[in-house]
Amino acid sequence: QKEVEQNSGPLSVPEGAIASLNCTYSDRGSQSFFWYRQYSGKSPELIMSIYSNGDKEDGRFTAQLNKASQYVSLLIRDSQPSDSATYLCAVTGGYQKVTFGIGTKLQVIP
Amino acid sequence: DVKVTQSSRYLVKRTGEKVFLECVQDMDHENMFWYRQDPGLGLRLIYFSYDVKMKEKGDIPEGYSVSREKKERFSLILESASTNQTSMYLCASRGGEVRAFFGQGTRLTVV
Repeated sequence: QKEVEQNSGPLSVPEGAIASLNCTYSDRGSQSFFWYRQYSGKSPELIMSIYSNGDKEDGRFTAQLNKASQYVSLLIRDSQPSDSATYLCAVTGGYQKVTFGIGTKLQVIP
Repeated sequence: DVKVTQSSRYLVKRTGEKVFLECVQDMDHENMFWYRQDPGLGLRLIYFSYDVKMKEKGDIPEGYSVSREKKERFSLILESASTNQTSMYLCASRGGEVRAFFGQGTRLTVV
């Protein structure tokens, strides 16, 4: 079992819709959870971090964490074509090691 | 702003060469990481370091080594480059604020 699992997609949503991205992780001791966005040919950039169970909202983005189910999600409301990118889930474990999922490619169709 | 700088944006090396990839960060971060990114495989951790002269193997350390003689610099070494090491290499650093900052990436081609 991979440490951090994501569906590689592509996930296609129409402009203005809600995009829902999911991630599961295997290490129950994981402390910190992140969502990065990566445009083609560019480095990943952080868009959301979450450390405790529940929801965290920032603008059009909402991160959700359920430690009991070992599940993290990212919701993007009012999706825009500029949101088209690969979204990487990352989890921090022992020795501050940061492990990434394979990434989900999101396509927002105008 | 935090800056993580990788020494080269593009690099072409011959099979068997010893290759050095350098990464420098300017925020006094304790933790530094080297990843490689390949289509369909995502970001895979090669090595990381949580302090000067300290290193830990990641998920795919074979064929690589690292050096961290100073806190701000973390070097990735390909002892004898092979074509299967052609990839995008990303360095990241992380401090007390928890999030990781990435360099711009080095696209290495081994011919």
